[in-house]
Amino acid sequence: QSALTQPPSASGSPGQSVAISCTGTSSDVGGYDYVSWYQYRPGKAPKLILYEVSKRPSGVPDRFSGSKSGTTASLTVSGLQAEDEADYYCSSYAGTNRVFGGGTKLTVL
Amino acid sequence: QVQLVQSGAEVKKPGASVKVSCRTSGYTFTDNGLTWVRQAPGQGLEWMGWISTYRGNTNYAQKFQGRFTMTTDASRSTAYMELRSLRSDDTAVYYCARDKLYTLDHWGQGTQVTVSS
Repeated sequence: QSALTQPPSASGSPGQSVAISCTGTSSDVGGYDYVSWYQYRPGKAPKLILYEVSKRPSGVPDRFSGSKSGTTASLTVSGLQAEDEADYYCSSYAGTNRVFGGGTKLTVL
Repeated sequence: QVQLVQSGAEVKKPGASVKVSCRTSGYTFTDNGLTWVRQAPGQGLEWMGWISTYRGNTNYAQKFQGRFTMTTDASRSTAYMELRSLRSDDTAVYYCARDKLYTLDHWGQGTQVTVSS
């Protein structure tokens, strides 16, 4: 099972919006609405920020939103804040397996 | 609150085995499966496998088939992973995570496993 494709880096200034894409296949992203996104800071456990494409767990700001079109899912962070600087990983259900993206390092300029 | 607490860091020689535990609390252990994920230095997150805490059935990533085993002890609300025939490229932080309908909603703190001669 190949990893999902994410851009290695993304950046934006405080207050701006940034979108991060996650491209898979019809066997994973395109086949199921079980795409989730995780925020990862070095030395800490990953944190769930979106699940089932666009649902937010309690406590996650509504600045984080998600969507999917075909085999590509997207995470959008609006109103960027310094605390949003982190690595972001997408993940998808893929039948009996799960698959992660390669991760995107988000820099707040 | 939901908590997953993993065992401590391990240093192993190539060819050895390592076993990591993941003790859960704050929810009914058998209500949700558990997934194991690792992150090697400079690499992304890698899905290793999933275990049903209710029936014990498992799904393993093909890459680890044959040298990776997941088990659970419901009486202790604890899951275990064992990785055998360790190589240097198994050096990584290993995480357990509660798997709620294909979503990893709570994670352990991670266990550093270092493989070095």
